[in-house]
Amino acid sequence: DAKTTQPNSMESNEEEPVHLPCNHSTISGTDYIHWYRQLPSQGPEYVIHGLTSNVNNRMASLAIAEDRKSSTLILHRATLRDAAVYYCILWAQGGSEKLVFGKGTKLTVNP
Amino acid sequence: NAGVMQNPRHLVRRRGQEARLRCSPMKGHSHVYWYRQLPEEGLKFMVYLQKENIIDESGMPKERFSAEFPKEGPSILRIQQVVRGDSAAYFCASSRQGQALLSPLHFGNGTRLTVT
Repeated sequence: DAKTTQPNSMESNEEEPVHLPCNHSTISGTDYIHWYRQLPSQGPEYVIHGLTSNVNNRMASLAIAEDRKSSTLILHRATLRDAAVYYCILWAQGGSEKLVFGKGTKLTVNP
Repeated sequence: NAGVMQNPRHLVRRRGQEARLRCSPMKGHSHVYWYRQLPEEGLKFMVYLQKENIIDESGMPKERFSAEFPKEGPSILRIQQVVRGDSAAYFCASSRQGQALLSPLHFGNGTRLTVT
C-alpha cells in the first residue's frame, strides 16, 4: 500500500476552519484517497474519499492537488466534537481489500 | 438503523484464559473486518471475512487467534490462552459490498480487552 505522511498533531480554535494536510508523493493512478477519524474511546468513522476531483459532503471537503501528490481535508467550522485523530489512507481499486491505517493527525480544538 | 454492534464493551481475562469477542455487522452488510489497536498506537488490520469465508488473514498472529463469520450469527474473534500483550482495543468494521466497490467501512466502538 502506498504511504501517506501527516503531521503528528494540529491545533485549532472552535468555529474556525481547519486544514489537515496529507502528502502521498508515491500515489498511483488507481489510488483513492480516504479520510477517517477516530474520536476518543470510539471506533473510526468514515469522513470522505476522492480520486481526482475535489469532494464535498456534510462533514468536510477534500481538496486534491492537481498532481495528486497531496491532499487537504477541510473542516469548515471546527467544533469541540471534531477533536479526534484524522487518518489519511490510500486504497487502490483492484488491490488489497483492506484499509491500512497510519498514525494520523491528532487534532485538538480549543474553545 | 443499528450500527455495528460489538460486545462485550470491556473484557477482563486472566493469563491463559480464552477471550471471545463478538461483532454484529450492520444490517445488509456481509463483509467484516477486524482491527487491533494497542495503547497509544494506530489500528492494525487483522482479518477480513465474508459470510463463511476468510478472505484475508494476513494480519492475524500465527497462533492462538482465530476468526469466523458464520452464515447465521455474529462474527467471532477468538483468542486462546491470552497473554498480557493481547491487551488492546479490538475493533470490528463492516461494509455492504467490500472495498472493491468503495463501500465505506462502518466501525463498532470496540471491545477493550485487559489481560491480568
